[in-house]
Amino acid sequence: GENVEQHPSTLSVQEGDSAVIKCTYSDSASNYFPWYKQELGKGPQLIIDIRSNVGEKKDQRIAVTLNKTAKHFSLHITETQPEDSAVYFCAARRSPNFGNEKLTFGTGTRLTIIP
Amino acid sequence: DADVTQTPRNRITKTGKRIMLECSQTKGHDRMYWYRQDPGLGLRLIYYSFDVKDINKGEISDGYSVSRQAQAKFSLSLESAIPNQTALYFCATSAGNTIYFGEGSWLTVV
Repeated sequence: GENVEQHPSTLSVQEGDSAVIKCTYSDSASNYFPWYKQELGKGPQLIIDIRSNVGEKKDQRIAVTLNKTAKHFSLHITETQPEDSAVYFCAARRSPNFGNEKLTFGTGTRLTIIP
Repeated sequence: DADVTQTPRNRITKTGKRIMLECSQTKGHDRMYWYRQDPGLGLRLIYYSFDVKDINKGEISDGYSVSRQAQAKFSLSLESAIPNQTALYFCATSAGNTIYFGEGSWLTVV
């Protein structure tokens, strides 16, 4: 089955700086990669996703890049703000058309923004 | 009000006791899930259901059971709780690619 590794497990950055979280996956057939953000005391929430037919996707201050050859994808947050402090999870599965029961999550990154 | 509501939010129970976590949703989704979150292990799927008559085991179903009482209700039971079931549990629903999580239920087994 799919195995998703996520690094780093914790990350502290100065407010205004950029943060990068990286994930690698094992199943070369995976082609859907979402990112979820979990704020303190809440459940994870989808913030961005990417499919394998594109290499990069942006949404305001967040972007995700995908390297299918190397089987890794990354979340980039620019101009970080205190509200970006949260735990971030990457995930992977074979097809956007497959059910979410096939989604494999990474182990999470706790991002802390230092004012 | 939350679209996915879990009760209780926090519970401490003793080893060997039966405990039920309840979940209800107002999103009208057919698909519902129970996940477990442990530090360093991420989110792991316990059970999932595509409709009232459909129940499926996930990655870590041993020691758990579920009941889909209605489209909007999906409960998770630990028949005989053990300490290594201490974790944060999430109920979730989905339509399409997006999973909508509840706020979680902290369960401590002592």
